[in-house]
Amino acid sequence: GAVVSQHPSRVICKSGTSVKIECRSLDFQATTMFWYRQFPKQSLMLMATSNEGSKATYEQGVEKDKFLINHASLTLSTLTVTSAHPEDSSFYICSARDRGTSGGYQYFGPGTRLLVL
Amino acid sequence: TQLLEQSPQFLSIQEGENLTVYCNSSSVFSSLQWYRQEPGEGPVLLVTVVTGGEVKKLKRLTFQFGDARKDSSLHITAAQPGDTGLYLCAAPSGGFNKFYFGSGTKLNVKP
Repeated sequence: GAVVSQHPSRVICKSGTSVKIECRSLDFQATTMFWYRQFPKQSLMLMATSNEGSKATYEQGVEKDKFLINHASLTLSTLTVTSAHPEDSSFYICSARDRGTSGGYQYFGPGTRLLVL
Repeated sequence: TQLLEQSPQFLSIQEGENLTVYCNSSSVFSSLQWYRQEPGEGPVLLVTVVTGGEVKKLKRLTFQFGDARKDSSLHITAAQPGDTGLYLCAAPSGGFNKFYFGSGTKLNVKP
């Protein structure tokens, strides 16, 4: 089956630094990838939709200048948390939609745990 | 405001019991998905329901899509400790442009 990877799986950083998270579709092409954030004991909240070759679409309340998304190829999207603060600590999950299938089926990555000290 | 409301939020039961989780919305969806998520991992797709009134079975799990395609339920028969996890419903919006998740149901099955 289709596989989506995320790197790193865990990251600890100091407040004020920037962190980049990669999301890769390993055996399929994804014109659209989604980035979600999940706080402890809560559901996944959609942050933005990443479109290959164009600007990402952000959900209401998500700062586009803080959460930079780049979808430079059909297999890679990156999320950069700029000037991270402790309140950005969360579980970040990406998903990718296989352009070769109908119905909008999406495959999820294993997530990245971010801890900002 | 959550597009998809799940109930109950938390459920702790003994092994062997049956349970039902609900996913409700005021919106109509073309399809709806159910996922299970283990701590520290991404969600794993269990099923996709597409037709109003549709019932799908996956071993001890039975999924139903409401006739009006606004709600869905997940019924687990004879729950086992391995069923423990966070159950999430999700639905597309904007013509599959986005997927939104329900509020989640945390299930704990005690041996």
